[in-house]
Amino acid sequence: KAGVTQTPRYLIKTRGQQVTLSCSPISGHRSVSWYQQTPGQGLQFLFEYFSETQRNKGNFPGRFSGRQFSNSRSEMNVSTLELGDSALYLCASSSGLAGGKTYNEQFFGPGTRLTVL
Amino acid sequence: GENVEQHPSTLSVQEGDSAVIKCTYSDSASNYFPWYKQELGKRPQLIIDIRSNVGEKKDQRIAVTLNKTAKHFSLHITETQPEDSAVYFCAASIGGGSNYKLTFGKGTLLTVNP
Repeated sequence: KAGVTQTPRYLIKTRGQQVTLSCSPISGHRSVSWYQQTPGQGLQFLFEYFSETQRNKGNFPGRFSGRQFSNSRSEMNVSTLELGDSALYLCASSSGLAGGKTYNEQFFGPGTRLTVL
Repeated sequence: GENVEQHPSTLSVQEGDSAVIKCTYSDSASNYFPWYKQELGKRPQLIIDIRSNVGEKKDQRIAVTLNKTAKHFSLHITETQPEDSAVYFCAASIGGGSNYKLTFGKGTLLTVNP
């Protein structure tokens, strides 16, 4: 199976602009989670989508939004970019079909490196 | 609150020695604890995980222990090799069933010196 892919791999934007990042999960996976990774801060959870619905959300401002399409591909949008938004944005896919207390491994994509000038 | 503390932030060992990384979590409902390894410039990859109904799990040179009472879990790497050098992240689940999210620690940079 092909792994999780993300496009673009690198982006340079200026403050105030908006950006859209894309993530294609592993075939058959219906859950996509997004994370922001910055030096010294680890991975911070943005949101998770499952079957086109946002199922979970982290503590990020409303400038960060996302959506998921019927083929499970997901996009993340950041509006009115700030310098502090410079980071590696990672998405992770899982089957998302766990019930009860069963958890599924999350497979990460290579990330999109966003630089805001 | 939803917090995962990870220590140490950096760890340097000699090849062949053991390395131990410790994490504590705050949500007593957490019951899934994965560990990820991220090599420089690469994506995080799951190396081992443990569920709350198990106290210890081992996979070759890697083991994880969980103490639910104290709310901490640890990664143990034995007979370290230079290729073990990477950033290691612990995580804990927040929420239950299929509706959960992972909260990550801030990472440990492990350097294995030949």
